[in-house]
Formats: sequence, structure tokens, C-alpha cells
Amino acid sequence: EDQVTQSPEALRLQEGESSSLNCSYTVSGLRGLFWYRQDPGKGPEFLFTLYSAGEEKEKERLKATLTKKESFLHITAPKPEDSATYLCAVQDPTGFQKLVFGTGTRLLVSP
Amino acid sequence: DGGITQSPKYLFRKEGQNVTLSCEQNLNHDAMYWYRQDPGQGLRLIYYSQIVNDFQKGDIAEGYSVSREKKESFPLTVTSAQKNPTAFYLCASSIWRGGRMNTEAFFGQGTRLTVV
Repeated sequence: EDQVTQSPEALRLQEGESSSLNCSYTVSGLRGLFWYRQDPGKGPEFLFTLYSAGEEKEKERLKATLTKKESFLHITAPKPEDSATYLCAVQDPTGFQKLVFGTGTRLLVSP
Repeated sequence: DGGITQSPKYLFRKEGQNVTLSCEQNLNHDAMYWYRQDPGQGLRLIYYSQIVNDFQKGDIAEGYSVSREKKESFPLTVTSAQKNPTAFYLCASSIWRGGRMNTEAFFGQGTRLTVV
């Protein structure tokens, strides 16, 4: 059973065109939801941690929000350097410190 | 600068060989992890370790082995028993908290293993 589903699989935006990425999860008793950015051939770079519904975190053009069933990563006025794969993960409810990852959203921002 | 160092960046393995991937961290983190990444799939957990001299199997441990003799180091051996070892391997570390709340994991830059 999939615990983390990300959509869309790929997203192409023009520079300055704002949009949102979605991460829906099915685990109960959420202990943490994490957003990462991954560039090709590199390891994931930590962006945000969200713990409870209603929580929001911001960093430059990125804003992450959390509800009881999903999280959104909002990208405001993106630039080409925001192009990357964005990964979402939740803590596995069966074990501490185990992260369950989605398959990611590949974002391409064209100038 | 604190961080996680994986080596080598690229590794080629012949059929039937064991190979060891290195992972070193200077973040003073207790917990360390190995993940495998394949195209179109999410990261999958191979092994993890909460403290020195202790480690647990993850979801896809068959064909892999690890050791944790030092807090800073968590090497992964890909054995000949691993039938499909070609993948991108990622090492991570985090603070270990015994309570309910997780903490973020920080990743190395990965090792790409190819069977030739």
C-alpha cells in the first residue's frame, strides 16, 4: 500500500509562473513530513519539516503547507535554478526514524 | 564544514564481486542510513543504525551488509548475492530522538554503482 503519493510526476513552468506540488499521505499519527530538493546525480537537500496540520514553512520562493491528508509545496515566481526533483517523505509509523519517500515531482522552469 | 561524505562517486562491479561503499559524517549524528534509488521509484531503505555496534535491516536488506564500528562511519557492502545492484546509493544521518518526533535526515552526494 502506497503511503506517499506525489503529483504531478513532472511539471514544466515558465519563469515567474507560480504553481504547487502535491504530496498526499495515508499514514495515521503523522510524526513528521519532510520536503527535499534533488538535483540530477546529487543527494537530496533538506528543505522543510512539518509536524502538524496547519503548519507552514517558507524559504525564499518556496512555501510548504500541511493538512491532515496532504502537503503542498508552493513555488512563487520560480526561476530556472529552481529546476530539480522535489521529494516528499513521511516517517514510517511502524518504526522510528524510518522515512518513506514518494517518487518525486520533476520540475523544469524555462527562462 | 560539517557534512556527509560518500566515496567513491562512481563504482563499477564485475559479476560475483563484493564491493564496499564508504560513508563518513562529521555532524555528530547518532543515526545513519543507507538508501537505494532507482529511476521511477522512491528511495528505499536498506539498513539503518541508531548507535555504534547496532544496526537494523530496512525494507530491502537482502544482498547487503553493513557495520557500525565508529559513530562517524557506516560502510555498506554490496555482496554477490544482490541480484540487481546497479543503482544510486545514498547515505544519510540524523539526530536520534527516542520519542515520537522525527528529525530531518541529511544526505551525502551518493555513489552510482554499475555492474559490468
